[in-house]
Amino acid sequence: QKEVEQDPGPLSVPEGAIVSLNCTYSNSAFQYFMWYRQYSRKGPELLMYTYSSGNKEDGRFTAQVDKSSKYISLFIRDSQPSDSATYLCAMSAEYNGNQFYFGTGTSLTVIP
Amino acid sequence: DSGVTQTPKHLITATGQRVTLRCSPRSGDLSVYWYQQSLDQGLQFLIQYYNGEERAKGNILERFSAQQFPDLHSELNLSSLELGDSALYFCASDRGPNTGELFFGEGSRLTVL
Repeated sequence: QKEVEQDPGPLSVPEGAIVSLNCTYSNSAFQYFMWYRQYSRKGPELLMYTYSSGNKEDGRFTAQVDKSSKYISLFIRDSQPSDSATYLCAMSAEYNGNQFYFGTGTSLTVIP
Repeated sequence: DSGVTQTPKHLITATGQRVTLRCSPRSGDLSVYWYQQSLDQGLQFLIQYYNGEERAKGNILERFSAQQFPDLHSELNLSSLELGDSALYFCASDRGPNTGELFFGEGSRLTVL
């Protein structure tokens, strides 16, 4: 079983839609949860960072962590064509000195 | 701009050759990570250094080696290159253990012909 599972998509939505991206994980020790946006062949850009459980909002982006279900989500409100990219989730635990585990990424296209 | 600098941005070479990729971490960051991303593949963790010492090793081939220097910049050496080594190589950095946030450079695109 992979440490982190992420549906690769592709996901295609109309402009203005609410997008929901998700990852599941198996290691209950994960404490740090991140979402990255990666445009084609560019470096992943850190979008959201959450420590432990709960929600975090930043503009049109909301990250949710449900540790009881081992499930994290990223919501994008009022999606824009510029949001078209691959979104990667990542997580790490405190015990192993920050070894990061990445999902394979979900490809998102926002259609104008 | 993440603050992580990678050079060169693009590199084309032939099979059997050796190349060196360079990374400068963000100011104040002590850890450097190297990842490989092949076409349409996920990020594959290669190796991590913290303050000059190797800290973790992932799926790094024996033909590949890395080091982190006293000024904290890092180099990834790839030798006896094969066609399958063509990929994007990313460097990332963070403050150190248990800090959570990892920042990536723009990558070095290696093409082996």
